[in-house]
This record gives sequence, C-alpha cells and structure tokens, in this order.
Amino acid sequence: DAGVIQSPRHEVTEMGQEVTLRCKPISGHNSLFWYRQTMMRGLELLIYFNNNVPIDDSGMPEDRFSAKMPNASFSTLKIQPSEPRDSAVYFCASSWGLPYNEQFFGPGTRLTVL
Amino acid sequence: TQLLEQSPQFLSIQEGENLTVYCNSSSVFSSLQWYRQEPGEGPVLLVTVVTGGEVKKLKRLTFQFGDARKDSSLHITAAQTGDTGLYLCAGNQGGKLIFGQGTELSVKP
Repeated sequence: DAGVIQSPRHEVTEMGQEVTLRCKPISGHNSLFWYRQTMMRGLELLIYFNNNVPIDDSGMPEDRFSAKMPNASFSTLKIQPSEPRDSAVYFCASSWGLPYNEQFFGPGTRLTVL
Repeated sequence: TQLLEQSPQFLSIQEGENLTVYCNSSSVFSSLQWYRQEPGEGPVLLVTVVTGGEVKKLKRLTFQFGDARKDSSLHITAAQTGDTGLYLCAGNQGGKLIFGQGTELSVKP
C-alpha cells in the first residue's frame, strides 16, 4: 500500500487567496483526520471523519476553514481566504476502526501564506 | 493550556547516553500512544499502552503508563543517532487523540 497521500507537499500563496489541500487515505480505512502542526501549538486536530461523515469539527479555527470527504478515498481541506497565521504543516491521517486506534499519517503539506 | 505536557521540550545528548522523556496530565486517559516524527515526515506510531502501570519494551525503548493513567514515560537506553526526532505522546480522551507538544531529541555522534 502507498500509505496516506497528500498533495501538494508545499504551497506558497498570498494572503486572501484560496488554498485547497488534498488527501487520499489508506484503502480500507474508515476514519480520516486533518491536523495542523506549528511550533507554538504543536499538533492540533482540526476535524475528523468516520465513514465519510464529519464527526468532530470543534478544532476548525473559524469559518474560513472547511473540509469535505465526498467518498472513502478522497478528502479536501480548504482555506478561503487564507491569512499569514494559517502558515503551518497540515497533516492528513487515517485509521481503521475506532478513532483512537493507530493513525497513519501522510507526509504533510507545508503551507506558507505571505 | 496543553492537556498533555511533555518534558523536556528539547534534549541534546551524546550517542550512548540514556534518557527519559515524560508526558503528564491532570486528566485520565483510557489509552496513551507514543509517536516518533522525523523532519519532513508525519508521525509514526511506536507503541500503545492501555493498562495503568503497564510497561512495554521496544528494543532499547521502554514505555511506562502511570498507575493512575494520567502520565507516561519513554526511556531510551544507549541512544543512537538514528533515535533523533520529535517524540509525541497522544492520549485517548472522548474517543479522539489529544497530542502533547513533543520532545525534540538530538543524538550527536
């Protein structure tokens, strides 16, 4: 298996632009997680899906952030409009079964908002 | 305020030394995981501990879950340069994982 796939690996954009991050989870996994990692705040859970349904989005910072999972093999995290404080590494992870089971992380997308 | 406090935040040691990193909380967790993250990559699971007082060994790494399931430690014996990385603990609370801020370990030859 190829593992969790994220694209792009790096994104540099200007403040105000729309950013879309993409994730393909491991085939057969039924939970998908979006995290944000910064030096100041560490690894924060933004949202997680179970069987393609959003279960907990309490970590989503504000209305500028939205996430979708149209099918079991694809998810997007969108930021519109982006701001410099959104600069971080965004990770997607997937797991099988309960949400606190072993999570398999993708390589991350490093986002820089100028 | 971090639910899970890891200490130390940074640790730089020589190859061959022993070290311990800690993960503490005032909350009880039904299970706790340790992950290791290398630069430019996502975290990778090392171990899951479930029972209070549980000790697990993974080669030179020893993991312990506190009796009250509020804290955990990771001990590395005879550290190697390949142990360099960010070590994260993650507690299961309310059905999801809460991560600590991590301990950045650097092992110098």
